[in-house]
Amino acid sequence: AQKVTQAQTEISVVEKEDVTLDCVYETRDTTYYLFWYKQPPSGELVFLIRRNSFDEQNEISGRYSWNFQKSTSSFNFTITASQVVDSAVYFCALSEADNTGKLIFGQGTTLQVKP
Amino acid sequence: EAGVTQFPSHSVIEKGQTVTLRCDPISGHDNLYWYRRVMGKEIKFLLHFVKESKQDESGMPNNRFLAERTGGTYSTLKVQPAELEDSGVYFCASSQDRNIQYFGAGTRLSVL
Repeated sequence: AQKVTQAQTEISVVEKEDVTLDCVYETRDTTYYLFWYKQPPSGELVFLIRRNSFDEQNEISGRYSWNFQKSTSSFNFTITASQVVDSAVYFCALSEADNTGKLIFGQGTTLQVKP
Repeated sequence: EAGVTQFPSHSVIEKGQTVTLRCDPISGHDNLYWYRRVMGKEIKFLLHFVKESKQDESGMPNNRFLAERTGGTYSTLKVQPAELEDSGVYFCASSQDRNIQYFGAGTRLSVL
């Protein structure tokens, strides 16, 4: 069965701190995709990144970085030098290659960055 | 380019009433998905259209929910009759070739 777990329900940090959001997934497929989405207070889900299961290379985009480790079935997201604008709900999701593309989401992590 | 738009942004209805949610996908996106987030839980898949055809409706909770996508453009999701447990945020997403899904801001449904 497919499942995505985000064990951290809420995280609160002070501006400029680094913060890591955890994501652990379960799937029987060998080909799959992992995603992170951000939901700011305005409500829409904003796409951040997609990784496929054959590419374990870590990725960095500005202050954002992602660590994909198949050995531990984890796809963690780190924000360096957090800012107040990073405050949002962050969702990790899984999509298996042999289905219709539907996303299986984790429960979401609410990040609050205080000034 | 316009993103995915959903109407209304918020709907408050009484138990037993009917509500219709609308989603306008990004122009040219054949794939359209509906999801729902109930009571702060995870976002769950409801169904998937490719153009006007339902590709996967395995996530639809019961027959009180009816989704349509006539002409393969916008989609509607009707709940009739609404029950208390239908309250939540309904998201729509669209994509090209089952690629990255782009989401709307959702419709917050409150059933009283």
